[in-house]
Amino acid sequence: EAQVTQNPRYLITVTGKKLTVTCSQNMNHEYMSWYRQDPGLGLRQIYYSMNVEVTDKGDVPEGYKVSRKEKRNFPLILESPSPNQTSLYFCASSSASGGAFLRETQYFGPGTRLLVL
Amino acid sequence: AQKITQTQPGMFVQEKEAVTLDCTYDTSDPSYGLFWYKQPSSGEMIFLIYQGSYDQQNATEGRYSLNFQKARKSANLVISASQLGDSAMYFCAMREADFLNSGGSNYKLTFGKGTLLTVNP
Repeated sequence: EAQVTQNPRYLITVTGKKLTVTCSQNMNHEYMSWYRQDPGLGLRQIYYSMNVEVTDKGDVPEGYKVSRKEKRNFPLILESPSPNQTSLYFCASSSASGGAFLRETQYFGPGTRLLVL
Repeated sequence: AQKITQTQPGMFVQEKEAVTLDCTYDTSDPSYGLFWYKQPSSGEMIFLIYQGSYDQQNATEGRYSLNFQKARKSANLVISASQLGDSAMYFCAMREADFLNSGGSNYKLTFGKGTLLTVNP
């Protein structure tokens, strides 16, 4: 089954304790992205990656890091979490090898609910 | 300025009736794509329908159709014959070519703030 998986699904942590949210896709997609969703704000992009070892900042990258060492994995790293990073996080992926990139559907993971105390 | 505007924070509809969820967008890029996603209370994001800026006909997918009015920059989602399972948050999103900032390499979706649809029995 084609899917994007995220772990953990729920996480409660304390300020300053480093954490990693994993994301993995089994569709051989080149493009992967992280979004955060906050009430009344919709989804905002944090980081994205066009392929292995190619990453770039989205709209709200402060306080986050990513890496793309393998095509299927795109972990999100919070080096020193703060309460304002409490949010619902989504990983997404899509193909980027076709010419009609505008219509490539982005597949989302199930989301990770993070609470930073 | 917001790129995607969803003016209806909440909508109510009776089961089996049709409902229209509004979406307007702002872009100067002639090439763009418009998407609608559904987010039920369980939280996952489910792709519903896509409309390309150069598509001549309005997109349809089962009970979902997109009323695309390019000159007005609107891309409203129409759900026919509403079902109780349609109760969810609905997001309109846009992808632009974005060559200025990323050379066209960011497949980023820009989302609206969403509309919460409640279907009443």
